[in-house]
Amino acid sequence: QVQLVQSGAEVKKPGASVKVSCKASGYTFTHYNIHWVRQAPGQGLEWLGMINPYGGSTDYAQNFPDRVAMTRDTSTHTVYMELSSLRSEDTAVYYCARGGSDQWDFHHWGQGTLVTVSS
Amino acid sequence: SSELTQDPAVSVALGQTVRITCQGDSLSSYSASWYQVKAGQAPLLVIFGIDNRPSGIPDRFSGSTSGITSSLTISGAQAEDEADYYCSSRDSSGTHLVFGGGAKLTVL
Repeated sequence: QVQLVQSGAEVKKPGASVKVSCKASGYTFTHYNIHWVRQAPGQGLEWLGMINPYGGSTDYAQNFPDRVAMTRDTSTHTVYMELSSLRSEDTAVYYCARGGSDQWDFHHWGQGTLVTVSS
Repeated sequence: SSELTQDPAVSVALGQTVRITCQGDSLSSYSASWYQVKAGQAPLLVIFGIDNRPSGIPDRFSGSTSGITSSLTISGAQAEDEADYYCSSRDSSGTHLVFGGGAKLTVL
């Protein structure tokens, strides 16, 4: 069965960077894009961007100019999302998600990673 | 990019039918998906491709689209359906995803 397992909770200071991992299993890693979505406390869902694990191409939401970077390691079937210049508003649960045949419908989600930004 | 607009709060009596709507220009080109979000849990896809249910989703959940408005209908709402519901779609560029602001469903 498809599984996406994320790394554990992080606490960071403002201005620092955080790197969250998402390890995929149960399917052919290079066949499906991986997306990242976050939810801040009391707020809605926000799409951060996506990565194509086959070639490594990425597409990021316009809300994160030059602050977000997504990479992948095909040998370990792991995708990474790094967010830099953290501010308090980046405190949120970050999810990785995988689509179905359409690639834009997220049938599978990681368990979420809480990132807390606090001085 | 484009926006998706949802009414922030919706209520329904137990066992009755409720419709949650999502409006946005991109919906005339791209189909909406719907997610159920409960506190402390990852989002759950309930409708994709306008009106398709993933396996395990009860058939009381259905979707539709007319023009730039997509709807999620719950026929015979149950107490366990109380949650936040988000629509999503590709934006007008087709290369980015947008979520609606979410609708909090209360089952009375």
